[in-house]
Amino acid sequence: AQSVTQPDIHITVSEGASLELRCNYSYGATPYLFWYVQSPGQGLQLLLKYFSGDTLVQGIKGFEAEFKRSQSSFNLRKPSVHWSDAAEYFCAVAGSGTYKYIFGTGTRLKVLA
Amino acid sequence: EAQVTQNPRYLITVTGKKLTVTCSQNMNHEYMSWYRQDPGLGLRQIYYSMNVEVTDKGDVPEGYKVSRKEKRNFPLILESPSPNQTSLYFCASSLSRTGNSPLHFGNGTRLTVT
Repeated sequence: AQSVTQPDIHITVSEGASLELRCNYSYGATPYLFWYVQSPGQGLQLLLKYFSGDTLVQGIKGFEAEFKRSQSSFNLRKPSVHWSDAAEYFCAVAGSGTYKYIFGTGTRLKVLA
Repeated sequence: EAQVTQNPRYLITVTGKKLTVTCSQNMNHEYMSWYRQDPGLGLRQIYYSMNVEVTDKGDVPEGYKVSRKEKRNFPLILESPSPNQTSLYFCASSLSRTGNSPLHFGNGTRLTVT
């Protein structure tokens, strides 16, 4: 079955610390992978996407993610977190030739000053 | 500005009173979709549309209807709302129908059914 797992429901980090949010997927075909961020009271905004090619992708706001096919993972990273990064983060997967986007349950990030 | 616009942002209603949540996009996107977001469940797809007059059920379609008479509009209709439909709803659109294009989201509609 197709699925996306974000094992961490909540993560708390100090401002300036590094961040890694985990995402594992189960998908039969070659996946298209996305990370979205949802700030309070807002819709979801695309951070970055992976379709093919270089497995390390850069996104907005200083985020990056690495696609590891052998581990079925697409973890999101940021070297130094800012207080404004506090939000909920969603990993999603879609497939070639399909209309179906599957979302993880989200990871809520709290940033300590 | 390219955007997906949902209205209203907040809605409180009573059980059984029909309501419509509107969604409009100005990007000429073919694909549009409705999701509901509930704590611990992430986003679940309600209905989607791949083009005008083409709609299909997502994962949780019960109790909802949609229509796609124009490319830009994709309203969500609850003909007889129930308390279990209290949720945060998002409309989204995408340029492509084939998964290789990111979704653009509206700001959400928080619905409370009492």
